Amino acid sequence: KQEVTQIPAALSVPEGENLVLNCSFTDSAIYNLQWFRQDPGKGLTSLLLIQSSQREQTSGRLNASLDKSSGRSTLYIAASQPGDSATYLCALVSSGSARQLTFGSGTQLTVLP
Amino acid sequence: SAVISQKPSRDICQRGTSLTIQCQVDSQVTMMFWYRQQPGQSLTLIATANQGSEATYESGFVIDKFPISRPNLTFSTLTVSNMSPEDSSIYLCSVRNSNQPQHFGDGTRLSIL
Repeated sequence: KQEVTQIPAALSVPEGENLVLNCSFTDSAIYNLQWFRQDPGKGLTSLLLIQSSQREQTSGRLNASLDKSSGRSTLYIAASQPGDSATYLCALVSSGSARQLTFGSGTQLTVLP
Repeated sequence: SAVISQKPSRDICQRGTSLTIQCQVDSQVTMMFWYRQQPGQSLTLIATANQGSEATYESGFVIDKFPISRPNLTFSTLTVSNMSPEDSSIYLCSVRNSNQPQHFGDGTRLSIL
């Protein structure tokens, strides 16, 4: 059974800092991996989707990488801003999961002004 | 990306009653899902809503408690039946086409007195 882990559970950084959020998974047989952000009291906003054949995806200040062989993905946020404060969730679709997303427990990011 | 409208956005209900949550998408989608997010937790998949047939429920969720309808490719409902305080959660509708990013509605915050 696929397990997705996000460490740390919480992270606090000063504004302007570059940071990396980590996601690890136990089964490398995946279709794709997606990063989301969730603001308090809101639903999830999709940030980046990486297909299994891809190594990374970029959108603005965000860059997500995927290394299936090591079971890891990272989300890099450049020049962090207070508006980046949210919970970031990693989720993936495994080959044997009937195409369902398996979520990590998230990293709560606080960017201090 | 698909725009998902979920209603109601929040509700406070009495124990023993039922509430139906609606999910409307602005375009046809292949897959529709219902999730639950309990306070401070990550997302748990309740079921996959299948057009014109019974939903596919995950372990721990049953049709009598969470009946789901999906009459077409843009609309689904989730009913939370015979509610108890343990059902207090955020309920989220989610959609996806094939290997595309998965998108979420803003959720329904449900409190049971």
